[in-house]
Amino acid sequence: QKEVEQNSGPLSVPEGAIASLNCTYSDRVSQSFFWYRQYSGKSPELIMSIYSNGDKEDGRFTAQLNKASQYVSLLIRDSQPSDSATYLCAVNDGGGGADGLTFGKGTHLIIQP
Amino acid sequence: KAGVTQTPRYLIKTRGQQVTLSCSPISGHRSVSWYQQTPGQGLQFLFEYFSETQRNKGNFPGRFSGRQFSNSRSEMNVSTLELGDSALYLCASSFGQGPYNEQFFGPGTRLTVL
Repeated sequence: QKEVEQNSGPLSVPEGAIASLNCTYSDRVSQSFFWYRQYSGKSPELIMSIYSNGDKEDGRFTAQLNKASQYVSLLIRDSQPSDSATYLCAVNDGGGGADGLTFGKGTHLIIQP
Repeated sequence: KAGVTQTPRYLIKTRGQQVTLSCSPISGHRSVSWYQQTPGQGLQFLFEYFSETQRNKGNFPGRFSGRQFSNSRSEMNVSTLELGDSALYLCASSFGQGPYNEQFFGPGTRLTVL
C-alpha cells in the first residue's frame, strides 16, 4: 500500500524564520509531488508541484525532491503568521494516475509572531 | 477565471438515505477527481473522471459512485449512507489526465450522517 509520511506537528517557527516541512513516500515509481496548504475549515490550496530531482523556487517557497531517498520537502522563507496552516504532501504514482493523489496526514505549522 | 464549485456546501442526512453531490470544474478542465477527507483517515482518493469515463477508482465500496457529463461537470452519489460516511467531500479539477496535471480543489461539501 502506497504511503506518504509527514510529521503531524505542531511545528512552531518564529516569524521571519525558515519553516522546513518534510515528507517521505513509499512508492519508488512515484512521478509527481505536490504541496498543498489547508487552513482550518477550508479546502486544500495548491502551493507547488515538483517533478524532477533538485530544488524548485516560487517566491518564498522552495520545494526540494530527492527520488533516491524518496524524500520531498518544502521550505518557507521569511515565515509569516498567515502561513500558519496544515501543509499536505501529495504524491502521484504516475501509473496513468492510477490511484489519484496519495496524501500524507499533514503537518500543522504555527508561525509565532 | 472562476474556480471549482461544489454544491451543496453542507448536507445533513440520516442513515440509509442516499445523497448526490455536484462539482463544476474550472473552465477548460476536463478531469475531475473526488476525495473524502476525515480527521482519522485524512484525504483519500475516491475516483477520477475524464471525458465522461471513470479512469481510476480508489478503495471504497460500491455504494460510492459517480459520473461526468459532456460539459465536464461531475456528480458523485453515495447510497445507503452509514455514519462513517460523514466527511468533507472534495472535488478537484485538472486540465488533463496523468501525473503531471495539477489538481485544484473546490470548497468541498460537508456531509453529516445522523
